[in-house]
Order: sequence, then C-alpha cells, then structure tokens
Amino acid sequence: EAGVTQSPTHLIKTRGQQATLRCSPISGHTSVYWYQQALGLGLQFLLWYDEGEERNRGNFPPRFSGRQFPNYSSELNVNALELEDSALYLCASTLEPRPYGYTFGSGTRLTVV
Amino acid sequence: GENVEQHPSTLSVQEGDSAVIKCTYSDSASNYFPWYKQELGKGPQLIIDIRSNVGEKKDQRIAVTLNKTAKHFSLHITETQPEDSAVYFCAASTQGGSEKLVFGKGMKLTVNP
Repeated sequence: EAGVTQSPTHLIKTRGQQATLRCSPISGHTSVYWYQQALGLGLQFLLWYDEGEERNRGNFPPRFSGRQFPNYSSELNVNALELEDSALYLCASTLEPRPYGYTFGSGTRLTVV
Repeated sequence: GENVEQHPSTLSVQEGDSAVIKCTYSDSASNYFPWYKQELGKGPQLIIDIRSNVGEKKDQRIAVTLNKTAKHFSLHITETQPEDSAVYFCAASTQGGSEKLVFGKGMKLTVNP
C-alpha cells in the first residue's frame, strides 16, 4: 500500500511569489491535514480537508489556502511568499474525519529567498 | 487555545539506558495522545498512542503513561539503541468540531553507542 506522497520534495521560491504544494493521501483516506514545521517550532496546524470541504484552519494568514479534489488529493497554496514561510510542509491523512492515527508524508521543503 | 508542552528539548543517553519524555496538555477535553518519531529527512511516524480511558500502554521497548487528572503523559523507551536516535513529538487531540492534533515542540534524542 502506497503511503502519503508529497510533491515536490524541495521548492525554492523568491519572496513575493506563489508556491503550490501537493499531497496524495493513502488510498481510502478521505481526510487531509496540513502542518508547517518551522525550525524550533514543532508542527503548527494549517488546514484540514475532509470530503472536499475545508473543516478547520489554523492561525495562519489568508494567503495560506488550499483545496481538496474529488480523488481526495490536496494542494496547499501560499501566496505572496515571505522569508519566514521557509519551512517543511507536512501532509497527513486519516481514514475517518478524526485526528486518530495520522499518517504523514515526507514533506515539501520550501525555501524562500 | 490548546497547548502542549514537551520537555526536555534534547536528551543524550548511552546505549542500553532508558529515556523518558514528558508532556503536559491544556485542553481537559483531549482524549487521544499519540507519539511520533521523526528521523532526518522523513516525515513523523506514529510509534504509539493512548486514549483517555487507558492509563498505560506498552509495545516492546516503548511505553506511554497518561495521568488525566494532572494532564500529563510520558513516553518511556527502555534498552535504547542507536537507531532510536531521532526527534520525538507528543501530541494531544482537540475536540468540539475542530478536531486536530496539537503537537509539542519535539525532543531530540541521541543514543551514543
């Protein structure tokens, strides 16, 4: 069984640009959670999608947005990139709309220069 | 808001020693407490979890204890091995329709051969 896959693995963008990160959940999983892992800050909750709908978002500005497609894959968009957006962005999926047993992908390393 | 505190932030032990990581949480409604291990360049991997109706759970060399009254939980690793070296995160679930995991800031464990 394939795990959670994220692409690209690395992304380098210039300040002010937009970044798009992608996530494919485990087959059969309908919920996707996005987290930001900045150095020294642990994992900060960004967004939760389930059945195509945004269910919850964390304390991040509106320039962080995303969506979930009918096949349950998801993308995270970050507009007007700032230097402090540099981080590892992790996607996790779950079988049910509950935060039990997250399976994480390996993440996308976003560097803003 | 919900908060999870984790300590220590780093721990170095000799191979064969035991390691203990402690976490406290703020949301008394939390009912699910997982632990994740993150190796360099990888996403966090679930290693053990415990629900609020259980006080202790073991899986080979790892065990987790939960004290709901005091709102703290701990991870115990016995007979540590060099491959246990990683960053460990504790987390607690939130409730009330905005369900997600709130993570501690992580602890870097180094096991010296």
